[in-house]
Amino acid sequence: SQTIHQWPATLVQPVGSPLSLECTVEGTSNPNLYWYRQAAGRGLQLLFYSVGIGQISSEVPQNLSASRPQDRQFILSSKKLLLSDSGFYLCAWSLGVGGGLVDEQYFGPGTRLTVT
Amino acid sequence: ELKVEQNPLFLSMQEGKNYTIYCNYSTTSDRLYWYRQDPGKSLESLFVLLSNGAVKQEGRLMASLDTKARLSTLHITAAVHDLSATYFCAVDMRFGNEKLTFGTGTRLTIIP
Repeated sequence: SQTIHQWPATLVQPVGSPLSLECTVEGTSNPNLYWYRQAAGRGLQLLFYSVGIGQISSEVPQNLSASRPQDRQFILSSKKLLLSDSGFYLCAWSLGVGGGLVDEQYFGPGTRLTVT
Repeated sequence: ELKVEQNPLFLSMQEGKNYTIYCNYSTTSDRLYWYRQDPGKSLESLFVLLSNGAVKQEGRLMASLDTKARLSTLHITAAVHDLSATYFCAVDMRFGNEKLTFGTGTRLTIIP
């Protein structure tokens, strides 16, 4: 069966510090990978997604970046955090089914980031 | 650009009552997903609807999809407290570059 891991689970970082969040998937090959952010009490904002190694699509211009160094690893980074980067970061995976369509997405447990 | 709207955004209802959450989307799609999120937790998949007229039921929840109306509904029957959560619909647009577009979410609170 497939499993998705995220770490750390919680993180408190000062403004201006760097960030690295990691997501790994087990039990599947060549998944699509996604990073979402959820501000407190709000909906989901898609940040980045990847359909293959080294392929990153950015949805929102900001001070964050993403990388996919391995098939089942997705990393979210920042060089300098802003207060507005606080939120709940969710990684998800799915499989493409052709025609630009995807199967359902499966979410990781999330990382709660507080920027102080 | 695909837009997905849910209503209501907030719903407070008494135990034992029935209610419906609506998910409208703006472009052609025949793949729609419902998710549940408990406070402080991640999203959990509830239903996968892959064709016009699809209906899925699990316990007190039933989801349906009308692709011609671009509408999905999540019906709650005889609500119980443990259904309190935020519910999201998500739509997969044809030729949508392999990503889902999520609705704004409906925060459901069941009052004893």
